[in-house]
Amino acid sequence: DTGVSQDPRHKITKRGQNVTFRCDPISEHNRLYWYRQTLGQGPEFLTYFQNEAQLEKSRLLSDRFSAERPKGSFSTLEIQRTEQGDSAMYLCASSGRTQYFGPGTRLLVL
Amino acid sequence: QKEVEQNSGPLSVPEGAIASLNCTYSDRGSQSFFWYRQYSGKSPELIMSIYSNGDKEDGRFTAQLNKASQYVSLLIRDSQPSDSATYLCAVNEDQGAQKLVFGQGTRLTINP
Repeated sequence: DTGVSQDPRHKITKRGQNVTFRCDPISEHNRLYWYRQTLGQGPEFLTYFQNEAQLEKSRLLSDRFSAERPKGSFSTLEIQRTEQGDSAMYLCASSGRTQYFGPGTRLLVL
Repeated sequence: QKEVEQNSGPLSVPEGAIASLNCTYSDRGSQSFFWYRQYSGKSPELIMSIYSNGDKEDGRFTAQLNKASQYVSLLIRDSQPSDSATYLCAVNEDQGAQKLVFGQGTRLTINP
């Protein structure tokens, strides 16, 4: 257990529905990252926060995706109007000098 | 596009032997390098980090970095069946943001 938690661990949804994932980082880490991983690939960077500020977003993050980190603590990642191509493992990592990953949320869009 | 390349494998090694995993990266300015282990269905787990040219040892694991050749490797000595996993090489492409760029991973199988 790295100390990073994610909820839910699994999510099955129908195409077109909205989903929201939560990440709770290691408490003393001020950086939080979201990655997406599909089968057979390494994780791909989506976005990151330093404290409550979202400092960078990948072009992978379409306008259907939004992430927040209110008060610089936990973070949420919302996907609106889900598509089958959104099916993946969504990983959260928090960082001091190195990044530690949470257990991930596995999303399946039917 | 900044890239990290790994042989996807599978790499099969007998128990007790040395497993050698390799990674090349395209961004010559990269400064931080990491190896993560990922068991099937689980999230990546940090094994080693390396920042300077040369070798860094931690137990049965040795990371090697050659910045001139843009090459990182991971050696696992006395391989155990529990080492069977996918090994991900990650490179910090932005020292400010500390974004990691991952290779696709090498699937390692240790045969008893």
